[in-house]
Amino acid sequence: KQEVTQIPAALSVPEGENLVLNCSFTDSAIYNLQWFRQDPGKGLTSLLLIQSSQREQTSGRLNASLDKSSGRSTLYIAASQPGDSATYLCAVRPGGGGNKLTFGTGTQLKVEL
Amino acid sequence: GAGVSQSPSNKVTEKGKDVELRCDPISGHTALYWYRQSLGQGLEFLIYFQGNSAPDKSGLPSDRFSAERTGGSVSTLTIQRTQQEDSAVYLCASSLTSGGSGNTIYFGEGSWLTVV
Repeated sequence: KQEVTQIPAALSVPEGENLVLNCSFTDSAIYNLQWFRQDPGKGLTSLLLIQSSQREQTSGRLNASLDKSSGRSTLYIAASQPGDSATYLCAVRPGGGGNKLTFGTGTQLKVEL
Repeated sequence: GAGVSQSPSNKVTEKGKDVELRCDPISGHTALYWYRQSLGQGLEFLIYFQGNSAPDKSGLPSDRFSAERTGGSVSTLTIQRTQQEDSAVYLCASSLTSGGSGNTIYFGEGSWLTVV
């Protein structure tokens, strides 16, 4: 059974810092991995999707990397801003493109002025 | 609209009542998912629809839960005889296809259900 862990559970940083969020998964037979953010009281917003054959994806100040063999992904946020404050979730889709995403429990990020 | 639309956004119901939650996926998306997010918990898969194929119901927690998708578009999640442990956010998501080219999944804002 796939298990997805995100560390740390919560993180507080001053504005302007670069930071890394971690996601690890136990079964490396994944099809893809997706990073989301969730604002309080809101749904999930997709940030980046990395397919199993890819090493990284970039969008603006965000960079996500994937090391499938070691079961790890990182989300790098450059020059953090207070608007980046949210919960960040990673989710893996099983190999073969199955239907069920397995989510981590998230990292709650607070960027302070 | 451009995104996944869910209604109601908030629902408070008495224990034992039935509730219906609605999801309108992004136009053209053939794959539709329902997830549940309980307080302090991760997202829990409930059910998946892909086109006209039989749905994957393997995540439904009990026979009080059911879902249908009419005309390959709008979906309704029904919870019968609600119990307090059903209180959660019910999130709907859609994607162009499932697996295949690894399409991005888009979520709605969720339906916040409170059973009192």
